[in-house]
Amino acid sequence: EAQVTQNPRYLITVTGKKLTVTCSQNMNHEYMSWYRQDPGLGLRQIYYSMNVEVTDKGDVPEGYKVSRKEKRNFPLILESPSPNQTSLYFCASSTTGGTNYGYTFGSGTRLTVV
Amino acid sequence: AQTVTQSQPEMSVQEAETVTLSCTYDTSENNYYLFWYKQPPSRQMILVIRQEAYKQQNATENRFSVNFQKAAKSFSLKISDSQLGDTAMYFCAFALHDMRFGAGTRLTVKP
Repeated sequence: EAQVTQNPRYLITVTGKKLTVTCSQNMNHEYMSWYRQDPGLGLRQIYYSMNVEVTDKGDVPEGYKVSRKEKRNFPLILESPSPNQTSLYFCASSTTGGTNYGYTFGSGTRLTVV
Repeated sequence: AQTVTQSQPEMSVQEAETVTLSCTYDTSENNYYLFWYKQPPSRQMILVIRQEAYKQQNATENRFSVNFQKAAKSFSLKISDSQLGDTAMYFCAFALHDMRFGAGTRLTVKP
């Protein structure tokens, strides 16, 4: 089954404790992206990657890091989480165009930083 | 930068009725994609419908259809014969090189 696998689904952590949210896709998509979803703001892009070893900042990159060492994986790293990073996070992947263009989303990670 | 605006934070509709969700966007580009995504309480993001800007014909998917007005930069979603399972948050999205979302409309279908 074609999918984006995101883990964990729920995470509660303390301020300053480094964490990683994993994302993996099995569709050989070039493009991967991370979003955070907050009430009244929709989904805002954190980082994206056009291909292996190619990453770039989205609209809200502060406090986050990413890496793309393999095509299928695109982890999101919070090196020193703060309470304002409490949010719902989504990983997504896509082709770069075509008739069936569209994002496939992971199931989301609900992160709470206390 | 492209922006997407959904001016209706919340809407409700009676079961079996028709409802239209509004979306406007801002871009200077000519070729792009527009989407509506549904997010039920399970929080999964589900693609409802896609429109390619170069196609004049409005996209339809069963009970879901869009009214795409390119010159007006408007992309509304019409849900016909609303069902209880349509209760969800709906996001309008614009995609060129990456995807940008509106703030969402929370739709409640009442029995």
